[in-house]
Amino acid sequence: QMQLQESGPGLVKPSETLSLTCTVSGGSLSGHHWSWIRQSPEKGLEWIGYIYYGGSTNYNPSLERRVTISVDTSKNHFSLNLSSVTAADTAVYYCARVRPAIFGIVTKWGTLDYWGQGTQVTVSP
Amino acid sequence: DIQMTQSPSSLSASVGDRVTITCQASHDIRKYLHWYQQKPGKAPKLLIYDASNLEAGVPSRFSGSGSGTDFTFTISSLHPEDFATYYCQHYDDLPLTFGGGTKVEIK
Repeated sequence: QMQLQESGPGLVKPSETLSLTCTVSGGSLSGHHWSWIRQSPEKGLEWIGYIYYGGSTNYNPSLERRVTISVDTSKNHFSLNLSSVTAADTAVYYCARVRPAIFGIVTKWGTLDYWGQGTQVTVSP
Repeated sequence: DIQMTQSPSSLSASVGDRVTITCQASHDIRKYLHWYQQKPGKAPKLLIYDASNLEAGVPSRFSGSGSGTDFTFTISSLHPEDFATYYCQHYDDLPLTFGGGTKVEIK
């Protein structure tokens, strides 16, 4: 059974960079995209972006200037960096596997089938 | 971005009731819509994919329908463990976006 586990600091100072890692067990990163999603009372569930195991990325335009997602297949993990954080970035951060949906010759990536438990990140001085 | 509007935002129901939640997309998303269940302190769990397909292991009392801009999620007979918040999510294009959620509470 695949499991995902987020790790990283629970408290980040304003203007600094939030860094989280998602470690995948019970399966390989190969063949899938891997995503970060966050949830706050103010914004609800917000997709941050995803990375293919080969390294190509797609980000939410609302966060694109500040986000970097990277992957390390040798360690079976992927990571999130969010720079210049403010209180508005306070949220529970989830990582998730993205399952492909294949329709003939078209493959769409948007099915979040395995999720980590989530980690609370608070931005505060 | 495609906006997803769920209604109602909350509802009260009793065990055994039939519950229906709707989700409206701001653009035609064909059938590229999923439904998730989230319990307090837990991650969302995929229940229905591609508008009407039941994810493996999910009880058959959950169902979904719709295409284009209007979608419906139904619990045919509410069980005690179904009290939770439900979200729709489209994947027709990027960015992926979610509805605001429907909290199903005990009457």
